[in-house]
Amino acid sequence: RKEVEQDPGPFNVPEGATVAFNCTYSNSASQSFFWYRQDCRKEPKLLMSVYSSGNEDGRFTAQLNRASQYISLLIRDSKLSDSATYLCVVNFGSARQLTFGSGTQLTVLP
Amino acid sequence: DVKVTQSSRYLVKRTGEKVFLECVQDMDHENMFWYRQDPGLGLRLIYFSYDVKMKEKGDIPEGYSVSREKKERFSLILESASTNQTSMYLCASLTGGPYGYTFGSGTRLTVV
Repeated sequence: RKEVEQDPGPFNVPEGATVAFNCTYSNSASQSFFWYRQDCRKEPKLLMSVYSSGNEDGRFTAQLNRASQYISLLIRDSKLSDSATYLCVVNFGSARQLTFGSGTQLTVLP
Repeated sequence: DVKVTQSSRYLVKRTGEKVFLECVQDMDHENMFWYRQDPGLGLRLIYFSYDVKMKEKGDIPEGYSVSREKKERFSLILESASTNQTSMYLCASLTGGPYGYTFGSGTRLTVV
């Protein structure tokens, strides 16, 4: 079983739609959680950290469910520019390195 | 903002060549990382370093080595390049706290 699992998609949604991605992780000692965005042939960039109480940044909402060991990302009012691959990232315990999911591909259609 | 700079965006090397990929960060971070990214496999950790002259193997260190002589520079070395090392190589510096990693722009290496 992979340590961090994501539905690879692709998700194809119309502009203005709401779309949600889930990610599950295997290690209950995980401490830090992130969503990264990666555009085609570019490096990953931090989209948002995920806090225990959930957090929102404009159209983006991240949630953490420690009991079920998953995190989610909700995108409201999708824009064409949201088209990208979204990576779920977890820090396991005291490890310095982050562990990445393989990403979920989103295409927002006009 | 933290800046992580990789020396080359694109490289083409021949099988058997020794290849150096350079990465420099400008924020005095202790922790630096090398990943490779391949379609369908995601990002896989090759090596990381948590201090000068310190290094630890990641998940796929075979065929690679690293060097960290100065805090700001972390080099990945392919001792004898092979075609299965054709990939996108990403260097990252650990910003810490709620900020995760900052990545360099990547080096797309092709071994022919």
